[in-house]
Amino acid sequence: DTGVSQDPRHKITKRGQNVTFRCDPISEHNRLYWYRQTLGQGPEFLTYFQNEAQLEKSRLLSDRFSAERPKGSFSTLEIQRTEQGDSAMYLCASTNRWDRGFFRDGNTIYFGEGSWLTVV
Amino acid sequence: QQPVQSPQAVILREGEDAVINCSSSKALYSVHWYRQKHGEAPVFLMILLKGGEQKGHEKISASFNEKKQQSSLYLTASQLSYSGTYFCGTEIIVGNSGGSNYKLTFGKGTLLTVNP
Repeated sequence: DTGVSQDPRHKITKRGQNVTFRCDPISEHNRLYWYRQTLGQGPEFLTYFQNEAQLEKSRLLSDRFSAERPKGSFSTLEIQRTEQGDSAMYLCASTNRWDRGFFRDGNTIYFGEGSWLTVV
Repeated sequence: QQPVQSPQAVILREGEDAVINCSSSKALYSVHWYRQKHGEAPVFLMILLKGGEQKGHEKISASFNEKKQQSSLYLTASQLSYSGTYFCGTEIIVGNSGGSNYKLTFGKGTLLTVNP
């Protein structure tokens, strides 16, 4: 257990429905990342937050995807009008970084257990 | 910006050694190594910063050659528990300050199978 928790762990939904995933990072971490991973591939970057600010969003993220991190604590990733191609594991990760990302000892990026999405 | 990993797959017998390579076309700020078991999340192994740093964790170690923009993961005297997919994640250097671009970009992974 890395301390990063995700909910739900598994979700099966019908095409066209909306789904929301939640991530609770390690409490003192100021950076939070969302990744998507499909079978046989490495995690693909989706977006990341510095506290409550969303600093970058991948072009992979269509307008149907939205992420928030209110108050710089937990984060949600919502997928609207789901499609079968959205089926994947959605991973959340967190770390501490300041000042343009300079690394400090121990600032590992830790991943949660992931949320599996199956769109039928 | 995706790093390239090689080999794609390797099969070992318990006790044998393996090397997994990770290379980038961009100057690297750091390299992170993870191992992932089927159906589970990636588990952090180690991180290497620019500057020729080498790290070790039991019988797993890694090196980082920033000039060649590559890193290698060394697994010695492999154990059955080492089986899984190994990913390198890279942060690239941006701007004149030498800082990170803040995000990890992962390679496609190397599937390691250790047999008895």
